[in-house]
Amino acid sequence: QEKVQQSPESLIVPEGAMVSLNCSFSDSASQSIWWYQQHPGKGPKALISIFSNGNKKEGRLTVYLNRASLHVSLHIKDSQPSDSAVYLCAVMNTEGADRLTFGKGTQLIIQP
Amino acid sequence: NAGVIQTPRHKVTGKGQEATLWCEPISGHSAVFWYRQTIVQGLEFLTYFRNQAPIDDSGMPKERFSAQMPNQSHSTLKIQSTQPQDSAVYLCASSFHWGAASYEQYFGPGTRLTVL
Repeated sequence: QEKVQQSPESLIVPEGAMVSLNCSFSDSASQSIWWYQQHPGKGPKALISIFSNGNKKEGRLTVYLNRASLHVSLHIKDSQPSDSAVYLCAVMNTEGADRLTFGKGTQLIIQP
Repeated sequence: NAGVIQTPRHKVTGKGQEATLWCEPISGHSAVFWYRQTIVQGLEFLTYFRNQAPIDDSGMPKERFSAQMPNQSHSTLKIQSTQPQDSAVYLCASSFHWGAASYEQYFGPGTRLTVL
């Protein structure tokens, strides 16, 4: 059964700082890895996904995937107070098994 | 596009009562997922429908929990004889499905179930 672990559990940084969030997973055959953002009282919202080894950039977000080390990271450039939320790493397993396995999340607080 | 709609947003039941949660997926999405979120366990998969057919219910507790999708516009999650440990936020998500590709799952706001 896929296991997903995230670190740190919580993070407080000043506005404008670079934020780095980490996620490790157990199945190297995992099809895709997704990062979701969740604000209090809301459902998770997908931010970015990655399928192949390497990196992918979208706006202020960059994600790095290393399948050999079973590790993925999300980096947020020029963080804003509105980025304060819980960030969830989710792994979509092998072909056809579309369910997501989530980590327990990182609580991010951006201080103005 | 109203997104995924879940009703009710909050439900309080007494121990032993039945709870029915409703989900309306995004129009045109063929896959519907149910997840449960608690502080202790995090976000856990419950069950999944594709084109209204049940595909994977490996996360569903075997007793008391059932899910249905009678038509493409809504799905229900029913919990019989609710217990305090069923208290959680129940999230519904929908997505496209085509071949082996991975598509974004769009989540609803959730139903917060409290069992007294």
